[in-house]
Amino acid sequence: KQEVTQIPAALSVPEGENLVLNCSFTDSAIYNLQWFRQDPGKGLTSLLLIQSSQREQTSGRLNASLDKSSGRSTLYIAASQPGDSATYLCAVPDRGATNKLIFGTGTLLAVQP
Amino acid sequence: EPEVTQTPSHQVTQMGQEVILRCVPISNHLYFYWYRQILGQKVEFLVSFYNNEISEKSEIFDDQFSVERPDGSNFTLKIRSTKLEDSAMYFCASIYRDRGNNEQFFGPGTRLTVL
Repeated sequence: KQEVTQIPAALSVPEGENLVLNCSFTDSAIYNLQWFRQDPGKGLTSLLLIQSSQREQTSGRLNASLDKSSGRSTLYIAASQPGDSATYLCAVPDRGATNKLIFGTGTLLAVQP
Repeated sequence: EPEVTQTPSHQVTQMGQEVILRCVPISNHLYFYWYRQILGQKVEFLVSFYNNEISEKSEIFDDQFSVERPDGSNFTLKIRSTKLEDSAMYFCASIYRDRGNNEQFFGPGTRLTVL
C-alpha cells in the first residue's frame, strides 16, 4: 500500500532564503508526482507535475525533482517570499486504473518578512 | 483558464440531515473524484467516477454516500444522514487523463460543518 511522507512537518525561514521540502513514497512504481499548495482553509493549487520519466520540473522560482528509485521528491523554492507561506503537499497516484491520489501530510511553511 | 468550481463554499447542517455538495469539473475532463480533508489531517480519497459510474470507492464511502452526474456538467456528492465526523473540507477534482495529460485539478472545496 502506497504511503507518502513529508519532512519537515513545519518550517520557518526568513525572507530571501532558498529552501527544500521533502517528500518520500514507499512504492516507486508511480506514473507521476504532483506538488500542491494549500492556503489556510482553502483549496489545493497544483504547482508542478513531474512525470515518471522526468527528473526535474521547473516553474518560476519552484523546482521539483524526482528520484523514483529512492522513492523521493524535493521541492526547491528559491528566494522565498512571505507570499510563499502556505502548506505544501505532495501526492502520487495509487496503483490501479483510477489514478486516485495518495497525499502526504504536508509541510507548513512560514516565510518571515 | 478552465477551473473546477464547487458550491457551496460552506455548508452548516444538523446531524442526521442530508446534504448535497456540488461540483462543476473542467468541461473536457473524463474522470472525476471526491476527496475530503478533516481538519489537521491528510487529504483522503473518497470516490472516483468515470463513464457515469463509480470506478473506485474507499472504505469511508459507505452507504450514506452517493455520487451522481445528473447532466453533462455537474458532479454531486450526497451524504444522506450526516454525522458529526463528516465535518471536513470536501474537494472535487477532475482529470482528462491520457498518456501525457494526467494532472488532477482541484476545486476550492466545500467546508461541511455538522452540528
